[in-house]
Amino acid sequence: GAVVSQHPSRVICKSGTSVKIECRSLDFQATTMFWYRQFPKKSLMLMATSNEGSKATYEQGVEKDKFLINHASLTLSTLTVTSAHPEDSSFYICSARDTTAFIPGELFFGEGSRLTVL
Amino acid sequence: LAKTTQPISMDSYEGQEVNITCSHNNIATNDYITWYQQFPSQGPRFIIQGYKTKVTNEVASLFIPADRKSSTLSLPRVSLSDTAVYYCLVMPPSGGSYIPTFGRGTSLIVHP
Repeated sequence: GAVVSQHPSRVICKSGTSVKIECRSLDFQATTMFWYRQFPKKSLMLMATSNEGSKATYEQGVEKDKFLINHASLTLSTLTVTSAHPEDSSFYICSARDTTAFIPGELFFGEGSRLTVL
Repeated sequence: LAKTTQPISMDSYEGQEVNITCSHNNIATNDYITWYQQFPSQGPRFIIQGYKTKVTNEVASLFIPADRKSSTLSLPRVSLSDTAVYYCLVMPPSGGSYIPTFGRGTSLIVHP
Protein backbone atom coordinates (compact mmCIF):
# COMPACT_ATOMS: atom_id res chain seq x y z
CA GLY A 1 0.00 0.00 0.00
CA ALA A 2 0.90 3.63 -0.23
CA VAL A 3 3.45 4.90 2.26
CA VAL A 4 4.33 8.33 3.55
CA SER A 5 7.69 8.71 5.24
CA GLN A 6 8.81 11.48 7.56
CA HIS A 7 12.33 12.35 8.57
CA PRO A 8 13.69 12.87 11.13
CA SER A 9 11.53 11.05 13.65
CA ARG A 10 13.17 12.92 16.50
CA VAL A 11 15.17 16.10 16.57
CA ILE A 12 16.57 18.18 19.39
CA CYS A 13 17.84 21.63 18.64
CA LYS A 14 18.94 24.76 20.39
CA SER A 15 16.73 27.80 20.61
CA GLY A 16 17.24 30.11 17.64
CA THR A 17 18.21 27.44 15.16
CA SER A 18 16.15 26.17 12.25
CA VAL A 19 14.96 22.62 11.74
CA LYS A 20 13.76 20.98 8.54
CA ILE A 21 11.33 18.07 8.49
CA GLU A 22 10.83 16.10 5.29
CA CYS A 23 7.70 14.30 4.19
CA ARG A 24 7.88 11.92 1.26
CA SER A 25 5.23 9.93 -0.52
CA LEU A 26 7.13 6.78 -1.41
CA ASP A 27 5.00 5.12 -4.05
CA PHE A 28 2.49 7.66 -5.19
CA GLN A 29 2.41 11.24 -6.30
CA ALA A 30 0.89 13.80 -4.01
CA THR A 31 0.01 17.21 -5.36
CA THR A 32 -1.25 18.10 -1.92
CA MET A 33 0.16 17.29 1.48
CA PHE A 34 -1.01 18.37 4.88
CA TRP A 35 1.02 19.35 7.92
CA TYR A 36 -0.30 18.90 11.45
CA ARG A 37 0.93 19.75 14.89
CA GLN A 38 -0.06 17.73 17.91
CA PHE A 39 0.37 18.55 21.58
CA PRO A 40 0.30 15.84 24.25
CA LYS A 41 -3.13 14.26 24.65
CA LYS A 42 -4.61 16.62 22.07
CA SER A 43 -5.93 16.10 18.59
CA LEU A 44 -4.09 16.85 15.38
CA MET A 45 -4.20 20.52 14.54
CA LEU A 46 -3.93 21.36 10.87
CA MET A 47 -1.18 23.87 10.25
CA ALA A 48 -1.10 24.18 6.49
CA THR A 49 -1.84 22.61 3.16
CA SER A 50 1.20 22.12 1.00
CA ASN A 51 0.62 22.47 -2.73
CA GLU A 52 3.11 21.20 -5.28
CA GLY A 53 4.51 24.05 -7.33
CA SER A 54 2.70 26.79 -5.47
CA LYS A 55 2.54 28.47 -2.10
CA ALA A 56 1.23 26.66 0.91
CA THR A 57 -2.09 27.60 2.41
CA TYR A 58 -1.77 28.28 6.11
CA GLU A 59 -4.49 27.92 8.70
CA GLN A 60 -5.48 30.93 10.73
CA GLY A 61 -3.03 31.68 13.50
CA VAL A 62 -0.11 29.78 11.97
CA GLU A 63 2.88 32.00 11.28
CA LYS A 64 3.97 31.40 7.70
CA ASP A 65 7.35 33.03 8.31
CA LYS A 66 8.07 30.68 11.19
CA PHE A 67 6.80 27.50 9.59
CA LEU A 68 8.13 27.51 6.05
CA ILE A 69 6.61 24.92 3.78
CA ASN A 70 8.03 23.93 0.44
CA HIS A 71 6.51 21.38 -1.92
CA ALA A 72 9.09 21.20 -4.64
CA SER A 73 8.09 17.90 -6.20
CA LEU A 74 5.16 15.52 -6.36
CA THR A 75 6.72 13.30 -3.70
CA LEU A 76 8.35 15.71 -1.27
CA SER A 77 7.15 18.43 1.05
CA THR A 78 9.31 20.05 3.72
CA LEU A 79 8.44 21.96 6.85
CA THR A 80 11.13 24.24 8.22
CA VAL A 81 10.71 25.60 11.71
CA THR A 82 12.74 28.78 11.66
CA SER A 83 14.35 30.38 14.69
CA ALA A 84 12.90 27.69 16.87
CA HIS A 85 11.85 28.41 20.42
CA PRO A 86 10.91 26.02 23.22
CA GLU A 87 7.21 26.68 22.58
CA ASP A 88 7.67 25.20 19.10
CA SER A 89 8.42 21.85 20.71
CA SER A 90 5.73 19.50 19.52
CA PHE A 91 4.91 16.44 17.43
CA TYR A 92 4.61 17.29 13.75
CA ILE A 93 2.81 14.95 11.35
CA CYS A 94 2.37 15.10 7.61
CA SER A 95 -0.19 13.35 5.47
CA ALA A 96 -0.98 12.93 1.83
CA ARG A 97 -3.87 11.64 -0.17
CA ASP A 98 -3.41 9.08 -2.89
CA THR A 99 -6.02 10.10 -5.42
CA THR A 100 -5.50 6.84 -7.31
CA ALA A 101 -5.97 4.62 -4.26
CA PHE A 102 -8.54 1.86 -4.30
CA ILE A 103 -10.11 3.26 -1.18
CA PRO A 104 -11.52 6.63 -2.20
CA GLY A 105 -9.33 9.41 -0.97
CA GLU A 106 -7.55 7.45 1.75
CA LEU A 107 -5.21 9.61 3.79
CA PHE A 108 -1.73 8.30 4.50
CA PHE A 109 0.26 9.65 7.41
CA GLY A 110 3.91 9.92 8.13
CA GLU A 111 5.38 8.49 11.30
CA GLY A 112 5.59 11.93 12.86
CA SER A 113 8.54 14.04 13.97
CA ARG A 114 9.13 14.91 17.59
CA LEU A 115 10.78 18.32 17.87
CA THR A 116 12.34 19.39 21.14
CA VAL A 117 13.78 22.89 21.36
CA LEU A 118 16.10 23.51 24.26
CA LEU B 1 -17.16 20.45 6.00
CA ALA B 2 -19.04 17.84 7.99
CA LYS B 3 -18.22 18.29 11.67
CA THR B 4 -17.79 15.12 13.68
CA THR B 5 -18.57 14.46 17.32
CA GLN B 6 -17.27 11.50 19.30
CA PRO B 7 -17.10 10.55 22.97
CA ILE B 8 -13.88 11.84 24.46
CA SER B 9 -12.96 8.60 26.16
CA MET B 10 -14.04 5.01 26.66
CA ASP B 11 -12.87 2.19 28.88
CA SER B 12 -13.11 -1.50 28.18
CA TYR B 13 -11.61 -4.82 29.18
CA GLU B 14 -9.73 -7.37 27.20
CA GLY B 15 -11.95 -9.66 25.18
CA GLN B 16 -14.91 -7.30 25.09
CA GLU B 17 -16.47 -5.73 22.01
CA VAL B 18 -16.10 -1.97 21.82
CA ASN B 19 -18.40 0.28 19.86
CA ILE B 20 -17.45 3.90 19.23
CA THR B 21 -20.05 6.14 17.68
CA CYS B 22 -19.37 9.25 15.66
CA SER B 23 -22.00 11.84 14.78
CA HIS B 24 -21.74 13.67 11.45
CA ASN B 25 -25.10 15.34 10.98
CA ASN B 26 -24.22 17.40 7.93
CA ILE B 27 -22.50 14.70 5.90
CA ALA B 28 -22.72 15.35 2.18
CA THR B 29 -24.18 12.92 -0.32
CA ASN B 30 -20.82 11.86 -1.74
CA ASP B 31 -18.86 11.78 1.51
CA TYR B 32 -17.24 8.64 2.84
CA ILE B 33 -16.73 7.90 6.53
CA THR B 34 -13.23 6.89 7.52
CA TRP B 35 -11.80 5.82 10.86
CA TYR B 36 -8.20 6.15 11.97
CA GLN B 37 -6.27 4.80 14.93
CA GLN B 38 -3.41 6.64 16.57
CA PHE B 39 -0.91 5.36 19.09
CA PRO B 40 1.20 7.79 21.14
CA SER B 41 4.03 9.39 19.17
CA GLN B 42 2.90 7.83 15.90
CA GLY B 43 0.98 9.10 12.92
CA PRO B 44 -2.63 7.94 12.55
CA ARG B 45 -3.25 4.81 10.55
CA PHE B 46 -6.27 3.83 8.51
CA ILE B 47 -8.69 1.32 10.04
CA ILE B 48 -11.79 1.20 7.88
CA GLN B 49 -13.89 3.23 5.49
CA GLY B 50 -17.51 3.00 4.46
CA TYR B 51 -20.29 4.77 2.63
CA LYS B 52 -23.43 3.04 3.85
CA THR B 53 -24.75 -0.05 5.68
CA LYS B 54 -21.97 -2.27 6.98
CA VAL B 55 -18.34 -2.76 6.14
CA THR B 56 -16.10 -5.36 7.73
CA ASN B 57 -12.40 -6.05 7.44
CA GLU B 58 -9.92 -8.08 9.44
CA VAL B 59 -9.64 -5.39 12.08
CA ALA B 60 -13.06 -3.86 12.60
CA SER B 61 -16.61 -3.36 11.41
CA LEU B 62 -18.27 -0.11 10.51
CA PHE B 63 -22.00 0.33 10.81
CA ILE B 64 -23.69 3.20 9.03
CA PRO B 65 -27.46 3.77 9.33
CA ALA B 66 -29.58 4.73 6.38
CA ASP B 67 -29.51 8.45 7.13
CA ARG B 68 -25.70 8.34 7.40
CA LYS B 69 -25.73 10.98 10.11
CA SER B 70 -23.70 8.76 12.38
CA SER B 71 -21.44 5.75 12.22
CA THR B 72 -20.25 3.16 14.69
CA LEU B 73 -16.83 1.60 14.72
CA SER B 74 -16.94 -1.85 16.24
CA LEU B 75 -13.80 -3.52 17.54
CA PRO B 76 -14.39 -7.18 18.35
CA ARG B 77 -12.64 -8.75 21.33
CA VAL B 78 -10.27 -5.90 22.10
CA SER B 79 -6.82 -6.48 23.52
CA LEU B 80 -4.45 -4.22 25.43
CA SER B 81 -2.83 -3.24 22.14
CA ASP B 82 -6.07 -1.62 21.00
CA THR B 83 -5.53 1.14 23.56
CA ALA B 84 -5.29 4.18 21.31
CA VAL B 85 -7.12 7.26 20.11
CA TYR B 86 -9.70 6.70 17.40
CA TYR B 87 -10.75 9.41 14.98
CA CYS B 88 -13.57 9.49 12.48
CA LEU B 89 -13.33 11.66 9.43
CA VAL B 90 -15.85 12.47 6.77
CA MET B 91 -14.31 13.03 3.39
CA PRO B 92 -15.35 13.28 -0.24
CA PRO B 93 -13.92 10.91 -2.83
CA SER B 94 -10.56 11.74 -4.33
CA GLY B 95 -10.09 15.12 -5.84
CA GLY B 96 -11.49 18.50 -5.02
CA SER B 97 -10.18 20.79 -2.33
CA TYR B 98 -10.88 18.66 0.71
CA ILE B 99 -8.98 19.68 3.83
CA PRO B 100 -8.86 16.87 6.40
CA THR B 101 -9.61 18.29 9.81
CA PHE B 102 -9.61 16.17 12.92
CA GLY B 103 -12.02 16.30 15.80
CA ARG B 104 -11.03 15.41 19.34
CA GLY B 105 -11.13 11.68 18.79
CA THR B 106 -12.00 8.97 21.31
CA SER B 107 -9.35 7.77 23.69
CA LEU B 108 -9.93 4.06 24.26
CA ILE B 109 -8.27 2.41 27.21
CA VAL B 110 -8.37 -1.36 27.39
CA HIS B 111 -7.82 -2.82 30.84
CA PRO B 112 -6.52 -6.30 31.65
